[in-house]
Amino acid sequence: QLQLQESGPGLVKPSETLSLTCTVSGGSISSSGYYWGWIRQPPGKGLEWIGSMYYNGNTYYTPSLKSRVTISVDTSKNQFSLSLRSVTAADTAVYYCARVGGTATIRWLDSWGQGSLVTVAS
Amino acid sequence: SYVLTQPPSLSVAPGQTATIICGGTNIGSKSVHWYQQKPGQAPVLVVFDDNDRPSGIPERFSGSNSANTATLTISRVEAGDEADYYCQVWDSNSDHQGVFGTGTTVTVL
Repeated sequence: QLQLQESGPGLVKPSETLSLTCTVSGGSISSSGYYWGWIRQPPGKGLEWIGSMYYNGNTYYTPSLKSRVTISVDTSKNQFSLSLRSVTAADTAVYYCARVGGTATIRWLDSWGQGSLVTVAS
Repeated sequence: SYVLTQPPSLSVAPGQTATIICGGTNIGSKSVHWYQQKPGQAPVLVVFDDNDRPSGIPERFSGSNSANTATLTISRVEAGDEADYYCQVWDSNSDHQGVFGTGTTVTVL
């Protein structure tokens, strides 16, 4: 059974970089047809798509975060990572990693990590 | 970017039917997916591609999609169905992004 697990610091200072890693087990991150994504949820609010990537390195970011986000992959470790630069309090959220299934034009999130709360504060 | 709108809340009695709507311009031309999120937990996919269910999801959960409205229907509602529900589409015309609805909190009376 596929499992995803986020890891990283729970507290980040304003203006610094938020870094999270998602470790995939029970399946290969190089599986054909699957993308891998990051989603966040501020406390008490809804879900926000951050971006996604394919194992070959192709990445896609939501326009509002594009200037500050990088998603990368390490196939040897079966992991992918999120980097969010110049954070502010507005970036405080639970960050989820997930597998993106479906087809080229119809995609959904079929497996999620448990989430990692990241607080931006000095 | 594409916008999906959901009513903030919905109350339903046990055994009754909950109907959760998701509005978007010409959403009927897209494929809609639905997630259930219970407090303190990660979302779970309950319906994909308008009306398909992942394995393990009860038949009580069903979906439909037409014109400007997609619908998630929960039949014979149980206390355990109390949760937040989000719709989602894939916007392949806009940097290959997923778009979520605003979310609906379902309360079982």
